[in-house]
Amino acid sequence: NAGVMQNPRHLVRRRGQEARLRCSPMKGHSHVYWYRQLPEEGLKFMVYLQKENIIDESGMPKERFSAEFPKEGPSILRIQQVVRGDSAAYFCASSPWGIGGETQYFGPGTRLLVL
Amino acid sequence: EDKVVQSPLSLVVHEGDTVTLNCSYEVTNFRSLLWYKQEKKAPTFLFMLTSSGIEKKSGRLSSILDKKELSSILNITATQTGDSAIYLCAVTVTGTASKLTFGTGTRLQDTL
Repeated sequence: NAGVMQNPRHLVRRRGQEARLRCSPMKGHSHVYWYRQLPEEGLKFMVYLQKENIIDESGMPKERFSAEFPKEGPSILRIQQVVRGDSAAYFCASSPWGIGGETQYFGPGTRLLVL
Repeated sequence: EDKVVQSPLSLVVHEGDTVTLNCSYEVTNFRSLLWYKQEKKAPTFLFMLTSSGIEKKSGRLSSILDKKELSSILNITATQTGDSAIYLCAVTVTGTASKLTFGTGTRLQDTL
């Protein structure tokens, strides 16, 4: 059973470009979470999605960031007009169910570097 | 705002040592506490502790939840090189659909 897949593993962008990060949850999991880890800091929750629904986006910056989890295909975290402060590791996690199913399994992360 | 604090920030150990990592939390409506191990890649799930399961053990690792003191400890006995990692503590609260609030982690390093 493949784990959570993320790609790309490393992404370099120049300021002002767009970054698209993809996450495929574990087989049988329909709940996806995105977290950001800044250098020397802990993981910070960004957004929680189920198929075709955003359940909780309380940790997502109001501008430039968006996320989706379509009926078919991976979840996408999109960052428009990237700035240097967006440089971080972005982790995706999945779980088989939401409330009561706290055990989240993490992917290897995408390390975004903004030049 | 929910808060999770881990200590120490880092720890150097000799092979064979027993270590204790601490996690304290200040949250409203606590539901569960989770421990993860993060090496170079993905955080790997270790334990989940709740009111109905306050002590867990797996091999050389064990963890206890103290709801009165709002804290948890992670014990590692007979440490090995492969235990070198960052150990993360996270909590969930009721009504937030399983969002994890993490501490900054404890970095465990061996002297080998």
